[in-house]
Amino acid sequence: QVQLVESGGGLVKPGGSLRLSCAASGFTFSDYYMSWIRQAPGKGLEWLSYISTSSTYTHYADSVKGRFTISRDNAKNSLYLQMNSLRAEDTAVYYCARDVEGMVGPADYWGQGTLVTVSS
Amino acid sequence: EIVMTQSPATLSVSPGERATLSCRASQSVGSNLAWYQQRPGQAPRLLIYGASTRATGLPARFSGSGSGTEFTLTISSLQSEDFAVYYCQQHNNWPQTFGRGTKVEIK
Repeated sequence: QVQLVESGGGLVKPGGSLRLSCAASGFTFSDYYMSWIRQAPGKGLEWLSYISTSSTYTHYADSVKGRFTISRDNAKNSLYLQMNSLRAEDTAVYYCARDVEGMVGPADYWGQGTLVTVSS
Repeated sequence: EIVMTQSPATLSVSPGERATLSCRASQSVGSNLAWYQQRPGQAPRLLIYGASTRATGLPARFSGSGSGTEFTLTISSLQSEDFAVYYCQQHNNWPQTFGRGTKVEIK
């Protein structure tokens, strides 16, 4: 069955960096577009970033552009989010998600999320 | 960026009743609109994509309609497991954007 497992979250000081990973299994990872989406405590969903199957195309929300970098390693069935210059407002649960096959956007599988807390 | 406005913020419904949730886009998104359900402590679950296509395994009581700027999610007869928060998402333009959600609560 499809599984997405995020890791790498934790407590980091403002201005610090963190790298999130998402291990995918149960499907042909290289065939699917992937995304990162986050949810601040008690708040709604915020789309963050997208990457195409062969990493040719990436897109970012304005709130993270220039600070976050999405990447993937199809040989390792893994998705990553490098987060730099972290701010308190980046505190959230971060989800990796698989887009519906052949489509950009709707995410049909989500991980359980990893919590990132930015605080001094 | 496209702003997605969901209404109402909270919907109080009795089990077995019909629920109608609305989502409006600040500009046309064609049919590139998805709906998600999120129960407390869980990751979101895709319900509808392409404005009206049900995700695999989704019960038929869920239906989506609309195009352009006005969209509706209808739950024909609410079951106990349907009380949750529902989000719409446009994936027509970058950046993709979500609405702020509609909480469906037990009346």
